Formats: sequence, structure tokens, C-alpha cells
Amino acid sequence: KQEVTQIPAALSVPEGENLVLNCSFTDSAIYNLQWFRQDPGKGLTSLLLIQSSQREQTSGRLNASLDKSSGRSTLYIAASQPGDSATYLCAVRRENAGNMLTFGGGTRLMVKP
Amino acid sequence: DAGVIQSPRHEVTEMGQEVTLRCKPISGHDYLFWYRQTMMRGLELLIYFNNNVPIDDSGMPEDRFSAKMPNASFSTLKIQPSEPRDSAVYFCASSFAGYLPGNTIYFGEGSWLTVV
Repeated sequence: KQEVTQIPAALSVPEGENLVLNCSFTDSAIYNLQWFRQDPGKGLTSLLLIQSSQREQTSGRLNASLDKSSGRSTLYIAASQPGDSATYLCAVRRENAGNMLTFGGGTRLMVKP
Repeated sequence: DAGVIQSPRHEVTEMGQEVTLRCKPISGHDYLFWYRQTMMRGLELLIYFNNNVPIDDSGMPEDRFSAKMPNASFSTLKIQPSEPRDSAVYFCASSFAGYLPGNTIYFGEGSWLTVV
């Protein structure tokens, strides 16, 4: 059974700081890994999707990397802003598991002005 | 497109009552998912459909939960009878051609259920 873990569970940083969120998964047989953002009272918004054959994806100030063999992914946020405050979740889609996603518990990020 | 639409957004009900949550997926999407989110257990997949057919319902917690998708634009998740431990946020999500690895999934804003 696939298990996804995110560390840390919560993070508070001053504005402008670069930061890294971590995600690990136990089964390396994955199709892809996604990073989502969830604002309070809202649904999830996909930020980046990394295919199993890729090493990283970038979107603006966000960069996600994937090391499939070691079961790890990181989300790097450059020059953090108060608007980045949200919960960030990673999810993996396993091979031969249809279209099911297994989510981590999330990292709750607070960026202080 | 308006995105995935869920209703109601908030529901407070008494234990023992029937609860019906509704979802309209994004037009053209052929996969529909129901997830439940709690503080204790995070996001859990309850059931998903492909072309209106239930594919995997192994996440449905017990017989009190049922889900239907009578057509491509509508799905319901029903809890009968409801219990306080069912209090959670229930998300509906949809995607297109789900077996292509690069396709992402779109979530609704959730139905916040409180059972008292």
C-alpha cells in the first residue's frame, strides 16, 4: 500500500525567504506526482505535475523535483510572499492503480510580512 | 468552464438523518472522484467512476455510504443514516482520459458536513 508523508507538517517563515517542502512515498512505481495548494475553505488547485520520467517541473517561483528511485519529491518556493500562505499537498498516482491519487498529510505554510 | 460544482457548500444535520451531496463535473471529463478530508485522516479517496460506472469503491467506509452517477454531468454521495464521525469535508473531483499520465485532476470547493 502506497504511503505518502510530508515534512514538516507546518512551517512559518518571514517574507522573502526561499523554502523547501518535502514529500516522500513508499512505492516508487508511480505514474506521476502532483503538488497541490489548498486555501482555507477551498478545494485543491494543482500547481505542478511531474511525470515519472521527469526530474523536475517549474512554474514561476515554484520548482518541483522528483527522485523516483528514492521515493522523494521537493517543492521549492523562491522569494516567498504572504500570498503563498496555504496548505501544500503532494499526491502520487501509482502504476496499475487506475486513476487513484494517494495524498500526503500536507504542509501548512505561513509567510509572515 | 465553471469548474467542478458541488452542493451544498455547508450542511449541518442531526445524527440519523440522510445526507445527499451533489456534484457536477467539468463537461467532457470522464472520471469522477469523491474524496473525504478530515484532520485525523487527511484526504481519502472514497470512490471513483469512469464513464458513469463505479470502478473502485474500496474507500467507502461502510454500507451507510452510497454513490451514484446517473449521467455524465451529475453524481451524488449519500450517507444514511449519518453519524457524528461522518463530519468532514467531502470533495468531488474530475479529470479527462484519466489513464494518460499527464492529466491533472480538478477539485470542487467541497461540501462541509457537520453531523450533530
